[in-house]
Amino acid sequence: DSGVTQTPKHLITATGQRVTLRCSPRSGDLSVYWYQQSLDQGLQFLIQYYNGEERAKGNILERFSAQQFPDLHSELNLSSLELGDSALYFCASSVDHEQFFGPGTRLTVL
Amino acid sequence: AQSVSQHNHHVILSEAASLELGCNYSYGGTVNLFWYVQYPGQHLQLLLKYFSGDPLVKGIKGFEAEFIKSKFSFNLRKPSVQWSDTAEYFCAVKRSNFGNEKLTFGTGTRLTIIP
Repeated sequence: DSGVTQTPKHLITATGQRVTLRCSPRSGDLSVYWYQQSLDQGLQFLIQYYNGEERAKGNILERFSAQQFPDLHSELNLSSLELGDSALYFCASSVDHEQFFGPGTRLTVL
Repeated sequence: AQSVSQHNHHVILSEAASLELGCNYSYGGTVNLFWYVQYPGQHLQLLLKYFSGDPLVKGIKGFEAEFIKSKFSFNLRKPSVQWSDTAEYFCAVKRSNFGNEKLTFGTGTRLTIIP
């Protein structure tokens, strides 16, 4: 157990819908990262927040957005979902050089 | 931008065989290097990491990796694999000047151990 929690574990939805994935970092970790893991793209960095502020952006689509709240938990919002958005979404947290990953949310878009 | 290459996509070995998984990165500056393992249906777990110092790094479960700066490589090794090592292995790199910085992952190597 890494100490990073993610909910829900599984999410099944339809194209065009909007979903929210939630991540709680390890206690004391200020940074939260979101990654997408899919069969065709592999593990891709999406976005990073540090103490409530956006720190870095990766291959994140405009239909996706994220935020980090004052209690440091983070949410990833995915809208206008397409079949190709089906993937495993991981959250990670770190306080310095090492990242600890959560169990992931498996999103299936039908 | 940095990138990571893992040339072995799927490796199949018998138990007790020795393992070496290749990892090469491209980035001109100083890097931190990592190997993560993902067991079937589970999240990523850190196997080992290199920040500085001794280029031969020992990790959990008998794994080790050697950083060869001149070759931009960080290959993962284990002298004798077990069936329980069946998993996907990811090499990752991070720019070392930045404490909180994204990881760039390789495409992963699927390791299957035959009992």
